[in-house]
Amino acid sequence: DTGVSQNPRHKITKRGQNVTFRCDPISEHNRLYWYRQTLGQGPEFLTYFQNEAQLEKSRLLSDRFSAERPKGSFSTLEIQRTEQGDSAMYLCASSPPQGRNYGYTFGSGTRLTVV
Amino acid sequence: ILNVEQSPQSLHVQEGDSTNFTCSFPSSNFYALHWYRWETAKSPEALFVMTLNGDEKKKGRISATLNTKEGYSYLYIKGSQPEDSATYLCASSSGGSYIPTFGRGTSLIVHP
Repeated sequence: DTGVSQNPRHKITKRGQNVTFRCDPISEHNRLYWYRQTLGQGPEFLTYFQNEAQLEKSRLLSDRFSAERPKGSFSTLEIQRTEQGDSAMYLCASSPPQGRNYGYTFGSGTRLTVV
Repeated sequence: ILNVEQSPQSLHVQEGDSTNFTCSFPSSNFYALHWYRWETAKSPEALFVMTLNGDEKKKGRISATLNTKEGYSYLYIKGSQPEDSATYLCASSSGGSYIPTFGRGTSLIVHP
């Protein structure tokens, strides 16, 4: 298994454009998480999937953000009408179904710059 | 404590020094405490997951302890090496949520 894969690694976009990121988790992991990290902060939780069901969303996830995991495998995070404040590192992580004794496996992240 | 807090924010040590960091978290409804190491241009890597009060875990020169009653965890690095240079993140699931909340991290730089 190659771990958690995120694409693209970097994205530069103009304010107002839409962007979509993809995350491919470890195949045996049914849980998938999206986090966002801005400079000087720790990763902030955005949303969580168990299989294809989106079970939790942070208040940080405004109406412009949407995430999907259509077949319980890969996930996409879309940001519509991007703003400069959306510039951040977007991290995806997955974990197995066994529960709380297992840490997350993170991808390398997608760094978004909105100009 | 409503958030997960880590101290110090950054640390510079010489090769061979031993060092430790602190993570403070809400002690009510504790579920799990994670430690991660995040090297520049790489993915955060899980070091430890601890769930029981009094847990102590060790991985090579790195060890961690957990006190869920008072809401803190310590991470120790014995004989720091330049390759230990990274940001060390802790994340706590507590206060009624199973989703870990991350601290801001401690940035460690080990000078040769």
